[in-house]
Amino acid sequence: AQSVTQLGSHVSVSEGALVLLRCNYSSSVPPYLFWYVQYPNQGLQLLLKYTTGATLVKGINGFEAEFKKSETSFHLTKPSAHMSDAAEYFCAVTSYYGNNRLAFGKGNQVVVIP
Amino acid sequence: EPEVTQTPSHQVTQMGQEVILRCVPISNHLYFYWYRQILGQKVEFLVSFYNNEISEKSEIFDDQFSVERPDGSNFTLKIRSTKLEDSAMYFCASRGLLEDGYTFGSGTRLTVV
Repeated sequence: AQSVTQLGSHVSVSEGALVLLRCNYSSSVPPYLFWYVQYPNQGLQLLLKYTTGATLVKGINGFEAEFKKSETSFHLTKPSAHMSDAAEYFCAVTSYYGNNRLAFGKGNQVVVIP
Repeated sequence: EPEVTQTPSHQVTQMGQEVILRCVPISNHLYFYWYRQILGQKVEFLVSFYNNEISEKSEIFDDQFSVERPDGSNFTLKIRSTKLEDSAMYFCASRGLLEDGYTFGSGTRLTVV
């Protein structure tokens, strides 16, 4: 079964500082990896995804993530945090093979400090 | 941009009652899903649906739950005899090609009292 680990449920970052959210996955087959963002009282919005090809992927709102197979990681970064980045962020994994269900991490609640 | 629409946004029900959560997936998507998120916990897979039948269900999705695509556009989740522990946010999702990812609705917050 596939799984995702996100450490640190709450992450505080100063406005203008680097945002780094860590995601490590477990998968016995090539993974498809996703980052979703959830703003208060809203649904899950796709930030970015890795399926095949370029390992550095860029998403919306200035976020990017790099797939590192050797480290089984897919960490999310943004060079400069903005107040509007305050939200919950979820990493998720699935695969082309098998049942295609998404397995989510526990999420990171990001707080941006002015 | 196409959206997945869920109704209602909030539902309060008494324990033991039946609820139906409704979803309108993106029109050209063929794969449909229900997930739930209990407060403070992970988003959990419930069930996937393809070609008018369940393609996979989790251990959570027991006989209390059922899904239906009654009219070619709506996708419903029925929970019979609700329990307190069914209180959660329920998300509907749909997808076309796996490479394009899943589109989620805004969720239905179900509170069982």
